[in-house]
Amino acid sequence: AQSVTQLGSHVSVSEGALVLLRCNYSSSVPPYLFWYVQYPNQGLQLLLKYTSAATLVKGINGFEAEFKKSETSFHLTKPSAHMSDAAEYFCAVRGLKGSYQLTFGKGTKLSVIP
Amino acid sequence: NAGVTQTPKFQVLKTGQSMTLQCAQDMNHEYMSWYRQDPGMGLRLIHYSVGAGITDQGEVPNGYNVSRSTTEDFPLRLLSAAPSQTSVYFCASSYGTGGGYEQYFGPGTRLTVT
Repeated sequence: AQSVTQLGSHVSVSEGALVLLRCNYSSSVPPYLFWYVQYPNQGLQLLLKYTSAATLVKGINGFEAEFKKSETSFHLTKPSAHMSDAAEYFCAVRGLKGSYQLTFGKGTKLSVIP
Repeated sequence: NAGVTQTPKFQVLKTGQSMTLQCAQDMNHEYMSWYRQDPGMGLRLIHYSVGAGITDQGEVPNGYNVSRSTTEDFPLRLLSAAPSQTSVYFCASSYGTGGGYEQYFGPGTRLTVT
């Protein structure tokens, strides 16, 4: 079965510091992986996705993620945090082959300290 | 394109009442789904549809019904509301295979059951 584990339900960083949000997955098929961002009182917006092409994926707002098969990880990073990055971030993995379903992690809330 | 729209944005129900949450998309997506979001639980799949006339249960289907008579619309019905159904509900849609499986989310409906 597909599953996603996000380490840390809450992460705090200083403005200008590195952002690192961790995601590990379990998948019985070659994974499609996603990071979504949710700003307060809004829906989820796609940040980036991995679909078996390049292992380093660049997304919107300066975020990127690296797919590491040996570590079953897909961590999200940004070199320098901005106040506007404060939000909740969700990692997701596609379901079984042929399925359109996504399985989501429980989310990591990012706080940015001025 | 309006994308994925949901109505209402907010709703308060009394225990035992029924209601329908509306969801529509104008992107001709074949896949649509309903999630509920609760603090610390991430997104949990309620029901999904892979095309008009085809629906199936997700992880937490009890107390909810769906139907899909058109490609555009995917309403979620609460049959007899319970306080445990207090949550934020998100509708999402996807191209499926041709679109890399990414899902597009609506803005959500915040439901309170008293």
